[in-house]
Amino acid sequence: DAGVIQSPRHEVTEMGQEVTLRCKPISGHNSLFWYRQTMMRGLELLIYFNNNVPIDDSGMPEDRFSAKMPNASFSTLKIQPSEPRDSAVYFCASRSGPGSGYTFGSGTRLTVV
Amino acid sequence: DAKTTQPTSMDCAEGRAANLPCNHSTISGNEYVYWYRQIHSQGPQYIIHGLKNNETNEMASLIITEDRKSSTLILPHATLRDTAVYYCIVRPPLTGTASKLTFGTGTRLQVTL
Repeated sequence: DAGVIQSPRHEVTEMGQEVTLRCKPISGHNSLFWYRQTMMRGLELLIYFNNNVPIDDSGMPEDRFSAKMPNASFSTLKIQPSEPRDSAVYFCASRSGPGSGYTFGSGTRLTVV
Repeated sequence: DAKTTQPTSMDCAEGRAANLPCNHSTISGNEYVYWYRQIHSQGPQYIIHGLKNNETNEMASLIITEDRKSSTLILPHATLRDTAVYYCIVRPPLTGTASKLTFGTGTRLQVTL
C-alpha cells in the first residue's frame, strides 16, 4: 500500500498564479480530507468528501479556494489567484470507514512569492 | 467536539516511558479519545483511540480515567524517533457519514539521550 499520495511535494509560485494540488487517497478509503498547516494557525480542516461528495467546506478560506473529487481515486485543491498568505503545507488524508484512523499524505509545501 | 488541554511541551529520556496527559473534562458519553502525532515535516500519524476502556497497540497504550475526564498516552520505551508533536482529540464516533478531526496545539515531546 503506497499510502496517500500528494503531488507536488513542493510548489513555488508567483502571486496571482493558479495553483493545483493533487491527492490520491488509499484505495478503498471512502472519505478524503484537505488540511492546511501554518505556524500561526496550526492544522486547519479546509474541506472533506465522503464517497466523492463534498460534505463540509466551511473551512475553505474564501472563493479563491476550490476542491474537487471527480472519482474515488483522485482529488484536487485549487487556489486561483494565489496570494502570499496562502503559503503553507497542505495535507490530504483519507479514511476507510467508521472506527478507523486517518492516514495523511506527506503534504505539499506551497510558497507564494 | 469537546475541548482538550495538553501541556505545551515535555521531555523524556530515551528508553524511559513517556506519559502524555490530556484533559477533556467536557467529554460527552459517546465521544472517543484519539491520539495522533506529527513528526517534523511529515503528515500527522494515527496512534490509538478509545472510548472508556484502556487500549494498547504496537505503538502505545491509552489509559482513560473512569470518569473519562482525562487520559494518558503512554509510549513504553521512548526513542529519539518518537520526538514529535502529540495531539489529543475528542470527537463523536465515526458513523456512516464522515466527520472531521479538529487538531489543537498538542504537546511537543522531546526525547533526549
